[in-house]
Amino acid sequence: AQTVTQSQPEMSVQEAETVTLSCTYDTSESDYYLFWYKQPPSRQMILVIRQEAYKQQNATENRFSVNFQKAAKSFSLKISDSQLGDAAMYFCAYRPQMDSNYQLIWGAGTKLIIKP
Amino acid sequence: DSGVTQTPKHLITATGQRVTLRCSPRSGDLSVYWYQQSLDQGLQFLIHYYNGEERAKGNILERFSAQQFPDLHSELNLSSLELGDSALYFCASSFSGGARDEQFFGPGTRLTVL
Repeated sequence: AQTVTQSQPEMSVQEAETVTLSCTYDTSESDYYLFWYKQPPSRQMILVIRQEAYKQQNATENRFSVNFQKAAKSFSLKISDSQLGDAAMYFCAYRPQMDSNYQLIWGAGTKLIIKP
Repeated sequence: DSGVTQTPKHLITATGQRVTLRCSPRSGDLSVYWYQQSLDQGLQFLIHYYNGEERAKGNILERFSAQQFPDLHSELNLSSLELGDSALYFCASSFSGGARDEQFFGPGTRLTVL
């Protein structure tokens, strides 16, 4: 069964600094998608960034970038120039490409604290 | 605002009761997914509907059921409620339900069972 593991329950970073959140996953599939979602105190789930497994280039969205290591099954999120508004729970999620059930499989989340 | 609406926002009820959660997908989206998020945990997939038909089931209890109506809105019915059913219930929608499609999440319904 596919699983997603986030080993850091909580991380803190000084405002304007860089922080990396870790995510590993287990799958026997070769094609899949990986996602990072942000859940602020409002509880709304917001897509931060997406990576297709067949793409070697790491995805980037403004201050957010990923380090995708397919062989190691690792998918970390780097947040540069951290801002107070980045404080939230961050969830890593996996979705298989070939399965007809395109559900998202979620990690337990990492709480990110931004220190002013 | 994702364009996905969920009602009610909050629901407080007693054990043994039955409740219905409602979700309206984004305009044009055919797929609806339901997820359960227990306190400070990741989401658990419950069920997926595509254009009115059930496509996949996850860890959904037999006490729970769902349907998607011809106008594409969906309802999640929870019956014989237990304390452990207290959670945030999310609905998400996507255009086709394919792997590549982004799922857009509603604001969630917070269910408290006393």
